[in-house]
Parts: sequence; C-alpha cells; structure tokens
Amino acid sequence: KAGVTQTPRYLIKTRGQQVTLSCSPISGHRSVSWYQQTPGQGLQFLFEYFSETQRNKGNFPGRFSGRQFSNSRSEMNVSTLELGDSALYLCASSWVATGELFFGEGSRLTVL
Amino acid sequence: AQTVTQSQPEMSVQEAETVTLSCTYDTSESDYYLFWYKQPPSRQMILVIRQEAYKQQNATENRFSVNFQKAAKSFSLKISDSQLGDAAMYFCAYRPPYSGSARQLTFGSGTQLTVLP
Repeated sequence: KAGVTQTPRYLIKTRGQQVTLSCSPISGHRSVSWYQQTPGQGLQFLFEYFSETQRNKGNFPGRFSGRQFSNSRSEMNVSTLELGDSALYLCASSWVATGELFFGEGSRLTVL
Repeated sequence: AQTVTQSQPEMSVQEAETVTLSCTYDTSESDYYLFWYKQPPSRQMILVIRQEAYKQQNATENRFSVNFQKAAKSFSLKISDSQLGDAAMYFCAYRPPYSGSARQLTFGSGTQLTVLP
C-alpha cells in the first residue's frame, strides 16, 4: 500500500509569492492534516480536513489555507509569503477511528 | 489546552543498551491517544508506538515499550537493545478522542537520541 505522498519535496520562493503544496493520503484514509515544522516553534498544527470539510484549524493567519478534494487529496496554499514561512510542511492521513497519523516525507519550503 | 512536555532535549545510549525517553502531558480528558513518533534525518515521521488511555496495559512493539502512568500523566518510551538505526529525533504526541472537536496531534519539543557504537 502506498504511503502518504507530498509534492513538491523542495521548493524555493521569494517574499510576496504564493505557494501550493499537494498531499495524497493513504488509500482509504479520509482525514488529512497539515503540520508546520520549524526549529523554533517545533511542530504546529495547521488544519485538518475530513470528507472535503475543514474540521479544525490551528492558530495561523488567513494567508494559510487549504482544501480537500473528493478523492481525499489535499492541497494547502500560502499567499504573500514571508521569511518566517520557511519550514518543513508535513501532511498526515489517518483512519480516524484508530487515531494514529501516517506522515508523508514533507515539503521543504524556503522563502528568500 | 493540551500540552506535551519532553524535558530531555538530547539523550545518548550505547549500542545494545537500554534508554528511556520521558514525556509528560496535561489534559482534562479521560480518554485519549498517546504516541511516540520517530523522525530520522530523512525527515519522515514514523509511528513507533501508540497507547489508548483506557487501556491499563502498557503498549509494546518489539524493542520499544512504554510506561504509561495515567494518574501522573506520564508516558515514557523505553528502547531496549538500542541499534544505530534508532538514532533520530523522538516526539511524544497527544491526540484527543475521535468525538472531540479538536482532534489534532499536540507534539512535544522532541528528544534527539544518539546511539554510540
């Protein structure tokens, strides 16, 4: 069974640009969550989607948004990039009844 | 709000020896999930072990076991017969029950484990 797939793995953007990251969950998983990982703040929850609906959102500004498609694939978008948005963005999918999240390898975003 | 605390930023262990990583958490829930995740330099978070709060028996997965003390809100990870491949950052994580509105994982700050040959 294929794992969680995130694309792109690496990307470099400049301040003010926007970026879209993609996540394909494990087959059969309907819940997709996004986390931001930085050396200073650690792992922080961004949002969770289930059946195309945002179920929960972390404490991030409105520049961070996401969506989920009918096939459970998810995208997150960051607009008007700031230097502080440089981070590893992790996507995770889960079979909600069991609780554990399965993570992708992440997308490393560098904002110059 | 739930909090997860890992008080050991770094730990080291000799190959084949045993090491215990500490984790405490704070919650007002009675039912929840606890996890240990491993993040090697390759960056992918890998689930090591999970524990449901309603289960009194400590979870075990091969060389990995936990000491779950619900009253003390403590959830430590023991790695036996440490191997070089165990070297990684280890994160303790808490997740509320499915029925809750806030179902995201809350992570600790991590413990960097070094395995010495």
